[in-house]
Amino acid sequence: AQSVTQPDIHITVSEGASLELRCNYSYGATPYLFWYVQSPGQGLQLLLKYFSGDTLVQGIKGFEAEFKRSQSSFNLRKPSVHWSDAAEYFCAVITGGGNKLTFGTGTQLKVEL
Amino acid sequence: DAGITQSPRYKITETGRQVTLMCHQTWSHSYMFWYRQDLGHGLRLIYYSAAADITDKGEVPDGYVVSRSKTENFPLTLESATRSQTSVYFCASSETGRDGGYTFGSGTRLTVV
Repeated sequence: AQSVTQPDIHITVSEGASLELRCNYSYGATPYLFWYVQSPGQGLQLLLKYFSGDTLVQGIKGFEAEFKRSQSSFNLRKPSVHWSDAAEYFCAVITGGGNKLTFGTGTQLKVEL
Repeated sequence: DAGITQSPRYKITETGRQVTLMCHQTWSHSYMFWYRQDLGHGLRLIYYSAAADITDKGEVPDGYVVSRSKTENFPLTLESATRSQTSVYFCASSETGRDGGYTFGSGTRLTVV
C-alpha cells in the first residue's frame, strides 16, 4: 500500500526566511502528489499538485514543490515566509488507478515575527 | 451560495447514541468523501462515494454508515457512538476524484462523552 511520510511534525521559521517542508512517498510508479494547507479551524485548501511533466510545480500563495523520483520526495518550498503562512501543511497522494487521497500526518508551521 | 457545507459545526453526544453528520455540496460533483482528523494521524478516509447510490469503505470504516440517495448529499452516521470516535470530521467533494482538487467543508467537531 502506498504511504506518505512527513518527517517533521513541527517547524518554526522567522518571517522572511525560506521554507522547505519535506514529504516522502512509497510507491513504485509515479503517483499523483499534492500539498494542502489547513488554517486553524478551517478545512483544507489545495496549494499545488503534480501529475507528470515538469518536476517543479508552482502553486498558490507563492509556494512551489519539486518532484524527485530518485529520492521519492515532493518537498514544498517558499522563498520568503509571511506570518500568514502559519498553518498545518499536508502532503497527499493518489496512486495507481485510484481516486482517493491518502494524507501524511501533517507538518505544523509556526512563523516567528 | 455554492460550496460544500457541513452541519453541525460542533456536536457533543453520549456514548451509545446514534448521530448523523451532514454534508451538502452544490456543484453536483460525482465524488464525495468523509475523513476524520486526529492528532498524529493526519486525515484518514472513512467512506467515499463515486456517485449516487455507490459507496465504498475507506481506511477506517468500522462504526460508521453512509448513504447517498442524492448526488448533493452524503450523510455520515455513527450508529452507536464511542469515545474513540471523538474527532474532527471533514467532508470533501471532487468532480473526477483523480485530480486531487478536492474541496473540503469546514469540518464538524464531534465529542463523545
